[in-house]
Amino acid sequence: AQKITQTQPGMFVQEKEAVTLDCTYDTSDQSYGLFWYKQPSSGEMIFLIYQGSYDEQNATEGRYSLNFQKARKSANLVISASQLGDSAMYFCAMSFTGGTSYGKLTFGQGTILTVHP
Amino acid sequence: GAGVSQTPSNKVTEKGKYVELRCDPISGHTALYWYRQSLGQGPEFLIYFQGTGAADDSGLPNDRFFAVRPEGSVSTLKIQRTERGDSAVYLCASSPGPKYYNEQFFGPGTRLTVL
Repeated sequence: AQKITQTQPGMFVQEKEAVTLDCTYDTSDQSYGLFWYKQPSSGEMIFLIYQGSYDEQNATEGRYSLNFQKARKSANLVISASQLGDSAMYFCAMSFTGGTSYGKLTFGQGTILTVHP
Repeated sequence: GAGVSQTPSNKVTEKGKYVELRCDPISGHTALYWYRQSLGQGPEFLIYFQGTGAADDSGLPNDRFFAVRPEGSVSTLKIQRTERGDSAVYLCASSPGPKYYNEQFFGPGTRLTVL
C-alpha cells in the first residue's frame, strides 16, 4: 500500500522568500509518480509539478521545484519568491504507474501555506 | 469548456435520499477518476474508469455507492440511502489515458451536504 505523509499542518512565509513544504512517502512499488497540487479556498485542485520515480533530475516548473530524494523517500516542494496568491492548501500525492490502476492518486493530509506581505 | 466540469456544484439532501453527481471530463480523455474529500483532509480515491469500464473500484466505501460511465465520456456517481457521513466534496479528474498518468486534471467538485 502507498502512503503519503505531510508533517506540516501549516507554514508561514514572507512574501518574496522561498519556502519548502515537506512530503515523505512509502511504497513498495518501483515505478511511481509524485505530484504536488495546490488547492485555494475556491476548492479546485491545481496541478503544480510531477516527478517520476525513474527521473534522475529534479522537476522544475517556473517557481516550483521538487526536491526528490529517492533513498530517503522524500519529495519536498520548494516555492521560490513567494507571492500572496500562493496562500492555499498544498497536497503531495503519489500515483501507481502499473497494473490496472494507472494514475490512481494517494494524497497526503495537506499543508496550509500562508504568505505574509 | 476546456476543463473538467461537475454538476451540481452544491447538493443538499436529506438523510436516506438518493443523489447523483455528474462529471464531464475533458474531451478525448479516456481515464476518469472519482475522489472524495472530507473537510480538512486530502482527497481519497473512490473509483477509476478506463473507457466505459471500472478498472478499479476498490475505494468505494460500501454498496450504497455506485458509478457508471456508459459511453466512455460522462460519468455519474450514485449514492443510495445517503448518510450524514457522506457529506464531503466529491472530485472528478480525467487524463488522456493510461500512459499519461502524470496528466490528471481535476474538476471544481460537488459539495454534498446530507442533513
